[in-house]
Amino acid sequence: EDKVVQSPLSLVVHEGDTVTLNCSYEVTNFRSLLWYKQEKKAPTFLFMLTSSGIEKKSGRLSSILDKKELFSILNITATQTGDSAIYLCAVGGLDRNTGGFKTIFGAGTRLFVKA
Amino acid sequence: DGGITQSPKYLFRKEGQNVTLSCEQNLNHDAMYWYRQDPGQGLRLIYYSQIVNDFQKGDIAEGYSVSREKKESFPLTVTSAQKNPTAFYLCASSIDGGPGNQPQHFGDGTRLSIL
Repeated sequence: EDKVVQSPLSLVVHEGDTVTLNCSYEVTNFRSLLWYKQEKKAPTFLFMLTSSGIEKKSGRLSSILDKKELFSILNITATQTGDSAIYLCAVGGLDRNTGGFKTIFGAGTRLFVKA
Repeated sequence: DGGITQSPKYLFRKEGQNVTLSCEQNLNHDAMYWYRQDPGQGLRLIYYSQIVNDFQKGDIAEGYSVSREKKESFPLTVTSAQKNPTAFYLCASSIDGGPGNQPQHFGDGTRLSIL
């Protein structure tokens, strides 16, 4: 069965700390791995990763994919209270029922940054 | 500004009642999706549509129905057959019908509760 597993489920840190969020997956015919940030309502897109070993970076956030070991990490350096959110990992793969493609989401990591 | 609009933000359903959640997008995206989010769980796919007049069941389609008569609109009906409808419902869209490979844009969600 296809699955995406995120860890930890929740995390509490202080401002200025560095955090690493993990995402492992088992998905048929992997196409891409995406990270989203969900604050109160709509998830917003952060990164899309398709190739191993190539780091994607945006400000204090960065992410990398290991297709051999089937995982990705999302790093946040110098955390701020505005980083408090649920971080969702999603993997695109083959939909065995339709032959098309689908996206499978992990349960998310809830990050809380204390001032 | 382009985006996805979901309405209503909050909805209450009585036992045995069907309700319809609205989702409209002006991004000119071909593909649209409905997800359900429960506490402590990731997003689970209910239905998706890669093109007008066509849609596919996701992982938890039982008790739900959709239509895609216009590119901009993808309403979701929660029928009385859905025994546990209380959840947060998110609508999303992506540029084309390859959901495994494209970032999705999300609406702000509808929170459905049963009375």
